[in-house]
Amino acid sequence: GESVGLHLPTLSVQEGDNSIINCAYSNSASDYFIWYKQESGKGPQFIIDIRSNMDKRQGQRVTVLLNKTVKHLSLQIAATQPGDSAVYFCAETGSSGSARQLTFGSGTQLTVLP
Amino acid sequence: DTAVSQTPKYLVTQMGNDKSIKCEQNLGHDTMYWYKQDSKKFLKIMFSYNNKELIINETVPNRFSPKSPDKAHLNLHINSLELGDSAVYFCASSHGGRGDTQYFGPGTRLTVL
Repeated sequence: GESVGLHLPTLSVQEGDNSIINCAYSNSASDYFIWYKQESGKGPQFIIDIRSNMDKRQGQRVTVLLNKTVKHLSLQIAATQPGDSAVYFCAETGSSGSARQLTFGSGTQLTVLP
Repeated sequence: DTAVSQTPKYLVTQMGNDKSIKCEQNLGHDTMYWYKQDSKKFLKIMFSYNNKELIINETVPNRFSPKSPDKAHLNLHINSLELGDSAVYFCASSHGGRGDTQYFGPGTRLTVL
């Protein structure tokens, strides 16, 4: 079946360094991708999204890169802060026959070290 | 002001019982969703629903049923609870169009004993 997967389940970075979280997807028909952040005990929170007609999108301290050729998505966090510690999920639509249903990846636990 | 809210936050119950989780959104969204998150943090869609269409993930047992009294609410009813139903359940909502951002509630941690 279709899947969205992450290369690394855990990532530790020093405070102030940049973080890169990667995600692979398998459905070439996917056309909308989202990154969510989930802090402990809370629901996923939208960070940034990108559509398949773009290859880069920037937000505040975050950048999402999309490489459709290799079906790869990444989230870059600049100057990582302790508050960035959370589980990060990529998600996509378009793979399950329903335009509205998101398929989530397995998540990456980001830990920011002091 | 909470955009998507769920009650209860924690639910502990015995196997075989029937329970409900409530969800409300005040964002004026047309579409609501239920997700299940297992112990490994994997999030899986269970249902998506608007006033026109209910889409059920084929892997969801028919013991689970969504009930929507109005556009702002989508409750989740679970019959004959099983140990494997223990998880965190998240409600979400969106405007409903393709590619619209989904906003999640805080989750309900269900523990079946």
